[in-house]
Amino acid sequence: GQSLEQPSEVTAVEGAIVQINCTYQTSGFYGLSWYQQHDGGAPTFLSYNALDGLEETGRFSSFLSRSDSYGYLLLQELQMKDSASYFCAVRGNTDKLIFGTGTRLQVFP
Amino acid sequence: DSGVTQTPKHLITATGQRVTLRCSPRSGDLSVYWYQQSLDQGLQFLIQYYNGEERAKGNILERFSAQQFPDLHSELNLSSLELGDSALYFCASSVDQVRDTEAFFGQGTRLTVV
Repeated sequence: GQSLEQPSEVTAVEGAIVQINCTYQTSGFYGLSWYQQHDGGAPTFLSYNALDGLEETGRFSSFLSRSDSYGYLLLQELQMKDSASYFCAVRGNTDKLIFGTGTRLQVFP
Repeated sequence: DSGVTQTPKHLITATGQRVTLRCSPRSGDLSVYWYQQSLDQGLQFLIQYYNGEERAKGNILERFSAQQFPDLHSELNLSSLELGDSALYFCASSVDQVRDTEAFFGQGTRLTVV
């Protein structure tokens, strides 16, 4: 089957850098994605890694190591509006798009 | 706006009842996914359709069923509702590549069973 693990909660202050880790188990692998969800809102796509390495999109970067079945989302120059839940997601050869348990990020002033 | 439309936004119903949740995917998207999110929980994958056919199934209860119609909209039917079915139900869609991991989510239907 497929499973993903993330820390349940991370806290940081404005302007800081935070890293949210994700380890996964899957049969077959078609990429690791990250989603952001504000309370009461819908998940929104942030980034996608199909190959090893770092992908940068503005203040957010995402990293993947396929050999370690591991990835992380790096958020820089944290802002209050970044307080949200962050989910990693993976699709394996079962075609299911499975999400991790989510990491709640709280940014303090 | 993701382009995915879910109706209704809110639904309150009694135990034992049956409800239907509707989803219209983004224009051109062939894949539709349904997820259940209980309070402060993750996104539990229920089922996926691709171009009208069931593609993948998660831990979907036998009381739940879904389908995708020729116009690609999808419906999730929940029957014999229990209090524990109260949750946010999301629909998502993606472009025609089945291996995509970028999905666009609707705003969800909040179901409350009383």
